[in-house]
Amino acid sequence: AQKITQTQPGMFVQEKEAVTLDCTYDTSDQSYGLFWYKQPSSGEMIFLIYQGSYDEQNATEGRYSLNFQKARKSANLVISASQLGDSAMYFCAMSWVSGGSNYKLTFGKGTLLTVNP
Amino acid sequence: DSGVTQTPKHLITATGQRVTLRCSPRSGDLSVYWYQQSLDQGLQFLIQYYNGEERAKGNILERFSAQQFPDLHSELNLSSLELGDSALYFCASSVFLQGGYTFGSGTRLTVV
Repeated sequence: AQKITQTQPGMFVQEKEAVTLDCTYDTSDQSYGLFWYKQPSSGEMIFLIYQGSYDEQNATEGRYSLNFQKARKSANLVISASQLGDSAMYFCAMSWVSGGSNYKLTFGKGTLLTVNP
Repeated sequence: DSGVTQTPKHLITATGQRVTLRCSPRSGDLSVYWYQQSLDQGLQFLIQYYNGEERAKGNILERFSAQQFPDLHSELNLSSLELGDSALYFCASSVFLQGGYTFGSGTRLTVV
C-alpha cells in the first residue's frame, strides 16, 4: 500500500537560512506524483511543488525545490532563504493511479516548521 | 483565491444534527475530492467524484454521503453528528495531475 512518512514532527530554522523537510514514500507503482503543501495557521492548503516519478530533473518553484531521489524513495522539500511567513505545517503527499484513470492522493502526517527571527 | 470555493467556512452544530458542506471546483476541473483533517487522524481521504460519478471511497463513515451535480459542484452530507466529527473538511479539485490538486479553504465543523 502507498504510504508517506514524514519523520520530523517539528523543525526550527533561523530566518534567511535554508531548511530541508524530509519525506519518504513507499509504493510499488512506477507512475506516481509527489506533492508538497503548506498549511499556515489560517488553515488553507497551499500547493507548493510537484514532481512526477518520470521527471529526471528536480522540481523547483521559486525558493522551493524538491530533492527527488527515486532509488531511495525520498522527496525532500528544500526551502531556501527562509522567511517568517514560511512558518506553517508542511505536508508531503503522493498520488497514484488506481483502477484505470482514477487518481488517489495520500498525505504524510506533516512537519511543523517554525522560522525564528 | 485558489479557485475552489467551499461554503460555509465555519459551522457549529449540535450532536445528532445533519449538515451539508458545499464545494465548487476550479473551472475546468472534473474531479472533486473530500478530505477530513482532525488532530488525531491527520488528513484522511473521504471520497472522490469524477464528472458526476463516484470513483473512490476512503475512510468515509456510513453517516456521511456525497454527490457531484451536473454543474460539477459537490456536496458532502454529514448526519447524526457526533463530537468526534468536529474537524476541518477540505474539498480539492484536479484535472488529473495537471498543476496538482487545488484545495479550497476548508469548512471548519464544530459539533457541540
